[in-house]
Amino acid sequence: SYELTQSPALSVSPGQTAIITCSGHKLGDKNAYWYQQKPGQSPVMVIYEDMKRPSGIPERFSGSNSGNTATLTISGTQGMDEADYYCQAWDSNTVVFGGGTKLTV
Amino acid sequence: QVQLVQSGAEVKKPGASVKVSCKASGYTFSDYYIQWVRQAPGQGLEWMGWINPNSGGINYAQKFQGRVTMTRDTSISTAYVELSGLKSDDTAVYYCARTLVVVKYHGMDVWGQGTTVTVSS
Repeated sequence: SYELTQSPALSVSPGQTAIITCSGHKLGDKNAYWYQQKPGQSPVMVIYEDMKRPSGIPERFSGSNSGNTATLTISGTQGMDEADYYCQAWDSNTVVFGGGTKLTV
Repeated sequence: QVQLVQSGAEVKKPGASVKVSCKASGYTFSDYYIQWVRQAPGQGLEWMGWINPNSGGINYAQKFQGRVTMTRDTSISTAYVELSGLKSDDTAVYYCARTLVVVKYHGMDVWGQGTTVTVSS
């Protein structure tokens, strides 16, 4: 079965750039999606189709996807960005999630 | 506004079944698949499957096959997930989310508020 791998945790200082990666076999041939989840809340999509931002998501969130790695970049990270981040892709008609990355700011 | 509203928390005994509902509003129910995703305490997101409200077609994650049933009632724009043979490790928050499927599969752009299911003797 298809797997997506994320580093469990990342810590950055306010104002720095946070780079969260998601690895999977030929992931660049698929579309990657990213979700932010804060404690006690439902997940929120922050990036879709590799690099697009849904309405209402700040410009500091960006994404890319190539080869075996999708990347979520948060520029000028703020305290409110502290959350768990999950990548997601489709394998045929099945959803696959990464294990999540806990971002500490 | 577009929203998915789920039923309330449940407490069940091992071996029992639980049925969670997800009521859609603010959009055409049949235009989007409904996904079910669960999250055990302190753990990541786990995909359970989806239902196509238009056709009733379903796809379950292999892990849950034989134990999960997803249905919908288009007359009230509501999707359901039922999980049987509950075990303690089924204790989790269960989420529904919608996905557009046009030409290809898209992401989950709207999520329900989650339903806590606790399995305890």
